[in-house]
Amino acid sequence: SQQGEEDPQALSIQEGENATMNCSYKTSINNLQWYRQNSGRGLVHLILIRSNEREKHSGRLRVTLDTSKKSSSLLITASRAADTASYFCAPRYSGGGADGLTFGKGTHLIIQP
Amino acid sequence: NAGVTQTPKFQVLKTGQSMTLQCAQDMNHEYMSWYRQDPGMGLRLIHYSVGAGITDQGEVPNGYNVSRSTTEDFPLRLLSAAPSQTSVYFCASSYSLAGGYEQYFGPGTRLTVT
Repeated sequence: SQQGEEDPQALSIQEGENATMNCSYKTSINNLQWYRQNSGRGLVHLILIRSNEREKHSGRLRVTLDTSKKSSSLLITASRAADTASYFCAPRYSGGGADGLTFGKGTHLIIQP
Repeated sequence: NAGVTQTPKFQVLKTGQSMTLQCAQDMNHEYMSWYRQDPGMGLRLIHYSVGAGITDQGEVPNGYNVSRSTTEDFPLRLLSAAPSQTSVYFCASSYSLAGGYEQYFGPGTRLTVT
C-alpha cells in the first residue's frame, strides 16, 4: 500500500481562522479517510469521502476530493484551541487487498489563542 | 461499548526481553491491525487480521508475532525486544476494509526498550 502525503507538515493559525490541509496520493482510490490525533492519543476518524464524491461536510469540517489531481483537502472553519492536533489522510486504493490503511506523517495543526 | 482497549499503557523492557501487548475490541469487528508510530514517521502497519484464525504481515513485521484465536482479541508479541522497537503501538479495528469503513483506534501503548 502507498500512503497519502499531507501538506503542510505544520500549520499555526489564530483561533477563529480557517485551516486548510492537503493530501496527495498515488493511484486510483475507492475512498479516502481523514483522521485526527490529539497529542498522546489514538487516531479518531473524522470523515470518509468516496471516489465518486467531490465534497463532503461534517460540522465545521469540509473535505474535497479531486480524483483527476489525486488530491484531497480538509478545511476546518472557525478554528478552536481544541482543534490543535495532527491530521492524517488515509487513501484506500482500488484493489488494495486486505491489508490496512496507510498513513503519512500528518499535518500538525496548532491553534493560537 | 468500551471500543478498542490496549494494555499496558506504558512499558519499559530491557534488550532481549519478550512481552505481549494486549488489544481487545467489543464491537464484533472482523478486521484488526497493529501499527507503530515513531516521531516523524507516521503510522506503519505491523500485522493485521481479517478474522479469527487469519493473520498477515504488514509493512514492518520483523520482530513481532500475532495470533487471532477470537474475534475480540489480537495480541502483539515482541519476541526479543530491541531498542529499535521503542515506539508507540496502536491497535485498530474495523467492521471490514471492503467498502471503506472507519477504523477505531485504541489509546496506544508507549514502549521503551533500553
